[in-house]
Amino acid sequence: IAGITQAPTSQILAAGRRMTLRCTQDMRHNAMYWYRQDLGLGLRLIHYSNTAGTTGKGEVPDGYSVSRANTDDFPLTLASAVPSQTSVYFCASSGGNPTGELFFGEGSRLTVL
Amino acid sequence: DAKTTQPNSMESNEEEPVHLPCNHSTISGTDYIHWYRQLPSQGPEYVIHGLTSNVNNRMASLAIAEDRKSSTLILHRATLRDAAVYYCILRSRGAQKLVFGQGTRLTINP
Repeated sequence: IAGITQAPTSQILAAGRRMTLRCTQDMRHNAMYWYRQDLGLGLRLIHYSNTAGTTGKGEVPDGYSVSRANTDDFPLTLASAVPSQTSVYFCASSGGNPTGELFFGEGSRLTVL
Repeated sequence: DAKTTQPNSMESNEEEPVHLPCNHSTISGTDYIHWYRQLPSQGPEYVIHGLTSNVNNRMASLAIAEDRKSSTLILHRATLRDAAVYYCILRSRGAQKLVFGQGTRLTINP
């Protein structure tokens, strides 16, 4: 049972480069999310998608874009990475009802130099 | 989104019960109370959730105050594996997203 798969697990990136973090789920969940977690802080929502074809902004969307072309995939793109985007990124999905739990991936650790 | 307030850290001993408090004085009638935990170097994992009544599952129990302005996550017999950051989150009906606060870092002493 795969659940949520994130790639890459870890990446070092030069500032100004473009980067896409991949997220795939095999649970046919409608809703998907991207969070970032910085040292000593809780998780902050970047973008979310309630269903394929729709996306929404979270708490910290600036500098990030997402797309949801199908149910399974929800990539997060940094068009021009900056050092402040150094963080651990978590993708999650849920079945969509208010009592449904979120399933999280293992995270992608990104370092922007 | 309604806010939650949790202690920054708590400490307990192995095989003893742990009561993790959460205040949510601005909770609305449609807000569900969710608890997640995050083990070191892992993504968060779901623990339990409830609306008005107390809830039990294999991981924990959730006690919800009658006025719903506070709740307590109860680990009946803590193990070293329960050392984690525990997040109390309100999720309103119709809202898909969860907004995480700072959580409580739970330390379990052997």
